Amino acid sequence: KAGVTQTPRYLIKTRGQQVTLSCSPISGHRSVSWYQQTPGQGLQFLFEYFSETQRNKGNFPGRFSGRQFSNSRSEMNVSTLELGDSALYLCASSLAVWDGEQYFGPGTRLTVT
Amino acid sequence: SQQGEEDPQALSIQEGENATMNCSYKTSINNLQWYRQNSGRGLVHLILIRSNEREKHSGRLRVTLDTSKKSSSLLITASRAADTASYFCATSGAQKLVFGQGTRLTINP
Repeated sequence: KAGVTQTPRYLIKTRGQQVTLSCSPISGHRSVSWYQQTPGQGLQFLFEYFSETQRNKGNFPGRFSGRQFSNSRSEMNVSTLELGDSALYLCASSLAVWDGEQYFGPGTRLTVT
Repeated sequence: SQQGEEDPQALSIQEGENATMNCSYKTSINNLQWYRQNSGRGLVHLILIRSNEREKHSGRLRVTLDTSKKSSSLLITASRAADTASYFCATSGAQKLVFGQGTRLTINP
């Protein structure tokens, strides 16, 4: 069974631009969560989707948004990029429950210049 | 905050020795999980222990949970160079997983 895939793996953007990251969960997994990882703040929860519905959201500004499609694939979008948005963005999928074993993708390394 | 806190922040041991890292949290939980991350890659799930369990084993890993002290420990026995990584505990509650800052484990040959 294929693992969680994230595209792109690396991205360089300029302040003020917007970016869309994609995540394909493991086949059959319906829950997709997104996390931001930085050296200073560690792993921060962004949001979690289940069956195309956002079930929970972390403490991030409205510039961070996401969605989930009917095939469980998910995208997250960051508008008006700031330097502080530079981070490793990780996507994780699980069968159904939000607090079950999470399967993580390799992440997207976003650098904002 | 419910965030787990790992201790120590960094640990360096010789290959073959045992490594113990601890996690403390603040609120009641449904379960506690441990993950490993190798150098900026995705996290790998190691073990999940439910709030009504006290100890769990998986290969060379042993996890304990003390809900009265709101703490957990991860023991890796007979460490190997491949165990070099960051280890995170994650606590579940309030509809999300909250990760600690991690313990950076280095296994020296």
